[in-house]
Amino acid sequence: DGGITQSPKYLFRKEGQNVTLSCEQNLNHDAMYWYRQDPGQGLRLIYYSQIVNDFQKGDIAEGYSVSREKKESFPLTVTSAQKNPTAFYLCASSMGTIKGEKLFFGSGTQLSVL
Amino acid sequence: RKEVEQDPGPFNVPEGATVAFNCTYSNSASQSFFWYRQDCRKEPKLLMSVYSSGNEDGRFTAQLNRASQYISLLIRDSKLSDSATYLCVVGPGGAQKLVFGQGTRLTINP
Repeated sequence: DGGITQSPKYLFRKEGQNVTLSCEQNLNHDAMYWYRQDPGQGLRLIYYSQIVNDFQKGDIAEGYSVSREKKESFPLTVTSAQKNPTAFYLCASSMGTIKGEKLFFGSGTQLSVL
Repeated sequence: RKEVEQDPGPFNVPEGATVAFNCTYSNSASQSFFWYRQDCRKEPKLLMSVYSSGNEDGRFTAQLNRASQYISLLIRDSKLSDSATYLCVVGPGGAQKLVFGQGTRLTINP
């Protein structure tokens, strides 16, 4: 079955540590996204990529980095510069980025600070 | 004013009841409208797109009012399994411009 796989499901970060969240899709979608969800808030866009080897900052990119070396993969690194990293992180994909495109989500990674 | 606003609830309704909630948006250029459902600590899943003429999918009906800038979701004959948070999602163009509401929490009671 096609879908989006995120790993790990739970991740703990120590002070000053960088951590990387994995996102893989086999839907053959061109566009991929990373969102952050905090309790009681809507999802906020961190980064997105419309095509391999290209990505754009979203609304809250500071303290995060991404890469898009393969169509299937869009890993997110939470750097030590992100001072409040505790949140639920969701990866998504869509066929493209035209009007009306639907987002499909992975099952999420809960990141907590030790 | 938030770009997309929803009443966070919680809405507690008995099984079999009809429940409706609205979502208002501030960007008059919005062209894409969706309702997603999210269970606790799970990923959002597309419930339905919202079209200008309104649309229905089984017990669920979605409507768009461009003049007043809101979308609505109506659930008829509610089931226990409808308990979830419902996210309103609106945007002026492509998926990268979509804005998520904070969600409306719904609990269906037996």
